[in-house]
Amino acid sequence: DAGVIQSPRHEVTEMGQEVTLRCKPISGHNSLFWYRQTMMRGLELLIYFNNNVPIDDSGMPEDRFSAKMPNASFSTLKIQPSEPRDSAVYFCASSLGLGGRSTDTQYFGPGTRLTVL
Amino acid sequence: QQQVKQSPQSLIVQKGGISIINCAYENTAFDYFPWYQQFPGKGPALLIAIRPDVSEKKEGRFTISFNKSAKQFSLHIMDSQPGDSATYFCAASGPSGGYQKVTFGIGTKLQVIP
Repeated sequence: DAGVIQSPRHEVTEMGQEVTLRCKPISGHNSLFWYRQTMMRGLELLIYFNNNVPIDDSGMPEDRFSAKMPNASFSTLKIQPSEPRDSAVYFCASSLGLGGRSTDTQYFGPGTRLTVL
Repeated sequence: QQQVKQSPQSLIVQKGGISIINCAYENTAFDYFPWYQQFPGKGPALLIAIRPDVSEKKEGRFTISFNKSAKQFSLHIMDSQPGDSATYFCAASGPSGGYQKVTFGIGTKLQVIP
């Protein structure tokens, strides 16, 4: 299995530009998570999808952030307009998502390092 | 608001020594405590995990100690090796908003020097 695939791996953009991050979860996984990692705040959950439906988006910082999951094999996280404080590593993770078991292991992608100038 | 407090944020250990990372939580609804290991340029990966009804779990050189009454748990890495140099995250999973949510600690950057 290829694992969770994220693209691009690195993104450098200028303030005000739109940024789209992409994720392909592991085949057969029903749950998908987007996280943001910074030195100051560690790993923060942005949004959680189950069976392609957003369940918890309480971690989305503000209206500039949006996420979609049009099908079981693809999700996007969009930032529009981007700001320098959005610079971070963004991770996508997926899990089997069977009945909300606490033991469900999350499998992380390699991340996208975003730099907003 | 940090629901899982992790310390130290960085740790330097000599090869062969014991690395100890501590975590504490407040929410008694947490019912599963995984540890994730992250190498530079990679995503975190599950290392070892424990349920609160067990006081200790050992896998190879890695041991989790769990103190339910104190709401604390820790990771011990015995005979630390340079290959263990990574960032370690403790985490806690529990019901939140109708699903099992995982809350991560801030992370500990471990460096094992030869």
